[in-house]
Amino acid sequence: DGGITQSPKYLFRKEGQNVTLSCEQNLNHDAMYWYRQDPGQGLRLIYYSQIVNDFQKGDIAEGYSVSREKKESFPLTVTSAQKNPTAFYLCASSIIWMNTEAFFGQGTRLTVV
Amino acid sequence: KQEVTQIPAALSVPEGENLVLNCSFTDSAIYNLQWFRQDPGKGLTSLLLIQSSQREQTSGRLNASLDKSSGRSTLYIAASQPGDSATYLCAVSRGEETSGSRLTFGEGTQLTVNP
Repeated sequence: DGGITQSPKYLFRKEGQNVTLSCEQNLNHDAMYWYRQDPGQGLRLIYYSQIVNDFQKGDIAEGYSVSREKKESFPLTVTSAQKNPTAFYLCASSIIWMNTEAFFGQGTRLTVV
Repeated sequence: KQEVTQIPAALSVPEGENLVLNCSFTDSAIYNLQWFRQDPGKGLTSLLLIQSSQREQTSGRLNASLDKSSGRSTLYIAASQPGDSATYLCAVSRGEETSGSRLTFGEGTQLTVNP
């Protein structure tokens, strides 16, 4: 089945740790995105990538890093510099960067313990 | 900066009722508008995509309209069912001069359909 796979579904991070969230798609989409969802604030864009080996900061990139070495994969690292990382993280993709439908994964819930 | 607002924030209706969810945006220079559904603890499921040149899209019991000049969209759900209970999000896509397009989301309308 074609789609976007995020793993793990639940992730717990200790203070000071870096953690990496996985996002893989088999839709042959060029563009991929990472959003953060907090209660009462909707979805906010962290990073996005229009093509392999290129990515751009979104609205809340501080404390996060990404890579796009393969078309299918767009992992997100939450670093220790992110002061409030507890949130629901959603990965998305689209065929090209405009006028196309965006598809989302099932999300990763990150909790700081 | 694009801002997207959804009204109402929450809505509770009896089964069978027709209902309308509203979405407004401040910058009319959009490529498209997309409506999503989100169940608790889950990702987003795309419902309808309306291109900026279109006025409406339909899928089954769902109909979405777009009035770009006034910065408004509505999602009409006919004959609502308990299975329609979810949060509905609208998002607009616009271009950036140097870095491609992005989606800007509203905060959603939480819909409850009571049997």
